[in-house]
Amino acid sequence: DVKVTQSSRYLVKRTGEKVFLECVQDMDHENMFWYRQDPGLGLRLIYFSYDVKMKEKGDIPEGYSVSREKKERFSLILESASTNQTSMYLCASSFEQGDQPQHFGDGTRLSIL
Amino acid sequence: AQRVTQPEKLLSVFKGAPVELKCNYSYSGSPELFWYVQYSRQRLQLLLRHISRESIKGFTADLNKGETSFHLKKPFAQEEDSAMYYCALRNTGFQKLVFGTGTRLLVSP
Repeated sequence: DVKVTQSSRYLVKRTGEKVFLECVQDMDHENMFWYRQDPGLGLRLIYFSYDVKMKEKGDIPEGYSVSREKKERFSLILESASTNQTSMYLCASSFEQGDQPQHFGDGTRLSIL
Repeated sequence: AQRVTQPEKLLSVFKGAPVELKCNYSYSGSPELFWYVQYSRQRLQLLLRHISRESIKGFTADLNKGETSFHLKKPFAQEEDSAMYYCALRNTGFQKLVFGTGTRLLVSP
């Protein structure tokens, strides 16, 4: 069974802090994704990566960056956290080709005070 | 631009009643459509996809290109179907998904 693991289930940080959210997958997937999930807005793609050291902006990349140094790990970075980044963050991964579905982690509920 | 619309935020039905969760999309090419489900305290997971043409947990969804719809249906709802449902679209050949805003299904006894 595919396992996508997010390092923290709940996280509380202060405005202005640099925040790291980590995601690891164990299925050798090429693609990895970061979404934020907000009530009434659904899931919105922040960044995705289709290979090591490769990244592409999603729909809402402002205020975020990502890092993919190893195939199994994809990190989301909030350079200077702000209160409007309080949200549920979901990581997902998938194989590169065909119609392969995305597999999601449990999510990290991040609160910025 | 690609867009997925789920017009209902909440759908409340009684056990045994038919269910239809609406999904409309806008896309000029050949999209792939998916339904994802998130049960309480569980991770988001794939329910079904249009290319499979299969029934999962009694749910079916037919892609109607003329009406640009991919509605999710079940003839007899069960309490365990209560969850958040997201419709999603993917451009064929790409991996990015565009999600709708979700519909919360509540099935009452």
